[in-house]
Amino acid sequence: NAGVTQTPKFRILKIGQSMTLQCAQDMNHNYMYWYRQDPGMGLKLIYYSVGAGITDKGEVPNGYNVSRSTTEDFPLRLELAAPSQTSVYFCASAIVGNEQFFGPGTRLTVL
Amino acid sequence: RKEVEQDPGPFNVPEGATVAFNCTYSNSASQSFFWYRQDCRKEPKLLMSVYSSGNEDGRFTAQLNRASQYISLLIRDSKLSDSATYLCVVNGGGYQKVTFGTGTKLQVIP
Repeated sequence: NAGVTQTPKFRILKIGQSMTLQCAQDMNHNYMYWYRQDPGMGLKLIYYSVGAGITDKGEVPNGYNVSRSTTEDFPLRLELAAPSQTSVYFCASAIVGNEQFFGPGTRLTVL
Repeated sequence: RKEVEQDPGPFNVPEGATVAFNCTYSNSASQSFFWYRQDCRKEPKLLMSVYSSGNEDGRFTAQLNRASQYISLLIRDSKLSDSATYLCVVNGGGYQKVTFGTGTKLQVIP
């Protein structure tokens, strides 16, 4: 089992560019999550999904979009990148009510 | 009141010391509770689940107090390798989002 994988590990974007952060899990978990973590701060939930075809907003969804076409994949799309989106992005998966397993993160800088 | 609150620390303790962290939560219907550990620039990893009866794993003990709505983590005989940020996590159950605390930073000093 690879667990939760994320690509890319690092990325630098220019203001206004777009990109997709990839997340995949091979544990057949129904729940998946996207978080961002700013330096010295806690995790903030961006979006989550309770299964293929079902997504919902977390506490900081503005500027992001997600899709969940399969159980395994949960990509996060950034449109019109802004410096405020400079952060570390973590994807996680879980069976409902149980522990979350995190990917290694994507470190994004917007200049 | 925040959904989940932790003392951010930092807690600076000498090797061998015992240290305890508390975490309070506001949703009395919360169903499951966890402690995670996060090393600098790494992803959070599960340290232990917190059961109503309390649970112990080596030097680590976690307890739940539903009446006062807090969970605790006790670390005995602290090691340098215990230096990290400890996150408490509360799950409201069903479709509700899992809520992470902002973490308590522990620094174990030689």
